[in-house]
Amino acid sequence: DSGVTQTPKHLITATGQRVTLRCSPRSGDLSVYWYQQSLDQGLQFLIQYYNGEERAKGNILERFSAQQFPDLHSELNLSSLELGDSALYFCASSPRLAGENTGELFFGEGSRLTVL
Amino acid sequence: AQTVTQSQPEMSVQEAETVTLSCTYDTSENNYYLFWYKQPPSRQMILVIRQEAYKQQNATENRFSVNFQKAAKSFSLKISDSQLGDTAMYFCAFMNLSFNTNAGKSTFGDGTTLTVKP
Repeated sequence: DSGVTQTPKHLITATGQRVTLRCSPRSGDLSVYWYQQSLDQGLQFLIQYYNGEERAKGNILERFSAQQFPDLHSELNLSSLELGDSALYFCASSPRLAGENTGELFFGEGSRLTVL
Repeated sequence: AQTVTQSQPEMSVQEAETVTLSCTYDTSENNYYLFWYKQPPSRQMILVIRQEAYKQQNATENRFSVNFQKAAKSFSLKISDSQLGDTAMYFCAFMNLSFNTNAGKSTFGDGTTLTVKP
């Protein structure tokens, strides 16, 4: 158990709909990362938050947005869903950005989104 | 920008033999970590091994070891005495830990699917 909790584990929805994926990082971790993994492919970095602020953006579509709340949990919002958005969405957390940090990312078990 | 390249999409090895997975990276940062993560069919991401860039000694974790060539920006993973449970996708990853605007940025390679055959 990595200590990172993602909900829901599975989600099936229709095209055009909107969903919200939730991530609770490990206790004390300030940084949250979101990744998308399509079937049998690598991890595509979407976005990173650090202590409530957006830190880095990757290949995140405009239809997607995210935020990190004061209690450090994060939500990834996916709207106007398309078939191609079907994927496993991972959240990961790490303690700090730099300095005394092992750099390891602690991954949740992922949220599997299926768009029909 | 930092990049991570895994040039072997798929590999296979016989049980009990040794296999090496390749990874190269590109960065201008000085303070960083490199990682190998394993993703078995369960899809859970599991840390296999980490290497601090400032350490010359190659990291080892039981049957897993790395060959870190900093000047060549190469970071290969060697799995000795391969076991059936090692069958998984393996990702090479980079984390910048420099005190700059790129601090905390993480980049993953595309992965290598390793199959261990009985």
